[in-house]
Amino acid sequence: GENVEQHPSTLSVQEGDSAVIKCTYSDSASNYFPWYKQELGKGPQLIIDIRSNVGEKKDQRIAVTLNKTAKHFSLHITETQPEDSAVYFCAASTTGGFKTIFGAGTRLFVKA
Amino acid sequence: DVKVTQSSRYLVKRTGEKVFLECVQDMDHENMFWYRQDPGLGLRLIYFSYDVKMKEKGDIPEGYSVSREKKERFSLILESASTNQTSMYLCASSEKRKRGDTIYFGEGSWLTVV
Repeated sequence: GENVEQHPSTLSVQEGDSAVIKCTYSDSASNYFPWYKQELGKGPQLIIDIRSNVGEKKDQRIAVTLNKTAKHFSLHITETQPEDSAVYFCAASTTGGFKTIFGAGTRLFVKA
Repeated sequence: DVKVTQSSRYLVKRTGEKVFLECVQDMDHENMFWYRQDPGLGLRLIYFSYDVKMKEKGDIPEGYSVSREKKERFSLILESASTNQTSMYLCASSEKRKRGDTIYFGEGSWLTVV
């Protein structure tokens, strides 16, 4: 079946460094790729998303890139801060969110 | 802001008990979902509903059922709780669109079955 692979499972960076999380999806019909951040004790919240007709999207320190040919998409966080420490999930979706497939998550630690 | 509210944050239940997890959303979303979150396994879809009284099985429906009597409310039912159902449960909602759309999550319900 369809799946989304996410790497790494754990990432530790020094404050101020960049962090990159990568995902690969299998369903070529996927056309929407959201990223969610989950802080301790809370539900995941959308932080950025990209649709299949766009190759890159940026929002302040966060950017996402998409390579549809290779079925890869990545999250880039620049100038990391301790409050960026959380679990990040990538996802790939088709129509209506019914077939949203989540990656296994990346636990990001930002050391002050 | 979209608000998805899960009524119980922390529950401890005994094996064999019937458990109800309640979820309400305030954005008039058509779609509602129940996910289960376990370490290393990500988010797995249990059931979803795209309309009142409609339900569809997700990836891991065994041992669960759902109820959607009103548009804003979606309940997850564990008919006979077992220890392997100890987990965090997340309710979510989204609009009905032709293309993929953002899923809004609740804060989660931590269930321990002893």
